[in-house]
Amino acid sequence: GQNIDQPTEMTATEGAIVQINCTYQTSGFNGLFWYQQHAGEAPTFLSYNVLDGLEEKGRFSSFLSRSKGYSYLLLKELQMKDSASYLCAVRGSNYQLIWGAGTKLIIKP
Amino acid sequence: NAGVTQTPKFRILKIGQSMTLQCTQDMNHNYMYWYRQDPGMGLKLIYYSVGAGITDKGEVPNGYNVSRSTTEDFPLRLELAAPSQTSVYFCASRSKDRVQNIQYFGAGTRLSVL
Repeated sequence: GQNIDQPTEMTATEGAIVQINCTYQTSGFNGLFWYQQHAGEAPTFLSYNVLDGLEEKGRFSSFLSRSKGYSYLLLKELQMKDSASYLCAVRGSNYQLIWGAGTKLIIKP
Repeated sequence: NAGVTQTPKFRILKIGQSMTLQCTQDMNHNYMYWYRQDPGMGLKLIYYSVGAGITDKGEVPNGYNVSRSTTEDFPLRLELAAPSQTSVYFCASRSKDRVQNIQYFGAGTRLSVL
């Protein structure tokens, strides 16, 4: 079967760093996406990895290891507005996205 | 730039009623998708379309129908609504570029079937 696992909820402090992990088992791999979703809103694109390694975009970085079926999203200098759910999605062999259930990130002052 | 627009934003249906969720995009994207999102679950693909006149089933198509008569519009039809269809529905679109394949989402339709 196909499976994507993320922690259900994480808590971090404003100004700190947090790492959200995602592990996957899918039939085929054509890229991994991270999306941010604020409560009651639509998911918005954050990052895309298709090759192993780290992709950096400002305060956000995403890492991929295809051999381990593992990715993480790293958020630095956390701000209150980063309180949201973070969705991991893998593009499988049929080019459709398979979505994790999301990680709810709570930022405390 | 409007992007992906969904209507209505909220709707309450009685069991057995029907309705159409509207989705339109102004980015000239070939690919369009309908997802549902339930609490504690990942987004589930209902139907998708790779271009006008072409639609295909996703993971959870039962109880739904779609059509794609134009590039811009991709309505989702619920026939004989059931409580199990209570969910948040998202429409998404992307270009046919296979390199990055970013999907852009509408704001969602929150549907309750009572």
